[in-house]
Amino acid sequence: KAGVTQTPRYLIKTRGQQVTLSCSPISGHRSVSWYQQTPGQGLQFLFEYFSETQRNKGNFPGRFSGRQFSNSRSEMNVSTLELGDSALYLCASSFGGDQETQYFGPGTRLLVL
Amino acid sequence: TQLLEQSPQFLSIQEGENLTVYCNSSSVFSSLQWYRQEPGEGPVLLVTVVTGGEVKKLKRLTFQFGDARKDSSLHITAAQPGDTGLYLCAGWWATGKLIFGQGTTLQVKP
Repeated sequence: KAGVTQTPRYLIKTRGQQVTLSCSPISGHRSVSWYQQTPGQGLQFLFEYFSETQRNKGNFPGRFSGRQFSNSRSEMNVSTLELGDSALYLCASSFGGDQETQYFGPGTRLLVL
Repeated sequence: TQLLEQSPQFLSIQEGENLTVYCNSSSVFSSLQWYRQEPGEGPVLLVTVVTGGEVKKLKRLTFQFGDARKDSSLHITAAQPGDTGLYLCAGWWATGKLIFGQGTTLQVKP
């Protein structure tokens, strides 16, 4: 069974631009969660989508948004990029039940200049 | 303020030494998880501890969940260079929402 895939793996943007990251979950998984990982703040929860609906949200500004498609693939968008948005963005998928094991993708490394 | 506090943040030891990593919280968690992350990859689940006082062993790794379900520890016996990586503890805060500790970067020198 293929694992969680994320595209692109690396991305360089400049301040003020916007970016869209993609995550394809493991086949059969209906939940996709997004996390931001930085050296200073560690791994922080962004949001979770289940069956195309946002089910949980972390404490990030509205510039961070996401969506999920009917095939469970998910995208996250960051608008008006700031230098502090430079991070590794990880997505994780699961079947979506309570405390189901999450399987992480390799992440997208975003650098904002 | 981190809900899950991990210590130490960095650990550099020689091959063959033992080590313990701690994960503490003021909140009660129904379960705690430990992950290991290597450079360029996402975290991989090592274990989930569910019952207060529970001890789980995974080869040279021993995981313990505190009686009050507010803390956990990871002990590695006779560390090897292949154990090098970032170790993360995590707890469920809501369905689909994992809260992570800051992580412990372990370097095992041959």
